[in-house]
Amino acid sequence: DQQVKQNSPSLSVQEGRISILNCDYTNSMFDYFLWYKKYPAEGPTFLISISSIKDKNEDGRFTVFLNKSAKHLSLHIVPSQPGDSAVYFCAAVGQNFVFGPGTRLSVLP
Amino acid sequence: DSGVTQTPKHLITATGQRVTLRCSPRSGDLSVYWYQQSLDQGLQFLIQYYNGEERAKGNILERFSAQQFPDLHSELNLSSLELGDSALYFCASSARTSGGYNEQFFGPGTRLTVL
Repeated sequence: DQQVKQNSPSLSVQEGRISILNCDYTNSMFDYFLWYKKYPAEGPTFLISISSIKDKNEDGRFTVFLNKSAKHLSLHIVPSQPGDSAVYFCAAVGQNFVFGPGTRLSVLP
Repeated sequence: DSGVTQTPKHLITATGQRVTLRCSPRSGDLSVYWYQQSLDQGLQFLIQYYNGEERAKGNILERFSAQQFPDLHSELNLSSLELGDSALYFCASSARTSGGYNEQFFGPGTRLTVL
């Protein structure tokens, strides 16, 4: 039973355009959400987070939106750059950290 | 560099064997988490320790065990290894227990191959 879902295994975007990565969760007890980026042969690195009391958090080119009623969050990257090509994991925090399966983003030059 | 170190980087062993993976958290971090990432799968939470004590358990098999030592480093022991145990094993550390709002810092992982 996947508590955190990322239904798109992969996404391709042209450089300079917007990348939108989606994440859905089922447990309403999650109260904090994070996005991690992972390059091959490296561990995941923290990107951005959002508390459940907010609906938006922005950090430079990265913005995370949270829709609690829909149990949905998304990560927007604008403008997308080739260096953003990586696997992106959504994570939710309640009793534990629960990670989604990841979405592989490819930014094409 | 996250400040979390894991050894060894690669490990190749045979079915039925036992291995130990080691993790040193970031300086000052009291929580250590272990995750398994199988081929093309997400990160599966295995177990968490906080200041030497087990704090949370995830999808960890009975053949697997872990501990955190007084110097806060942690070891994950995998025994009676099966082919399906081949995976990347990540360790992460954070300044608080799970539920706190601190992100986890991940080590580079140990790639285990069971032949």
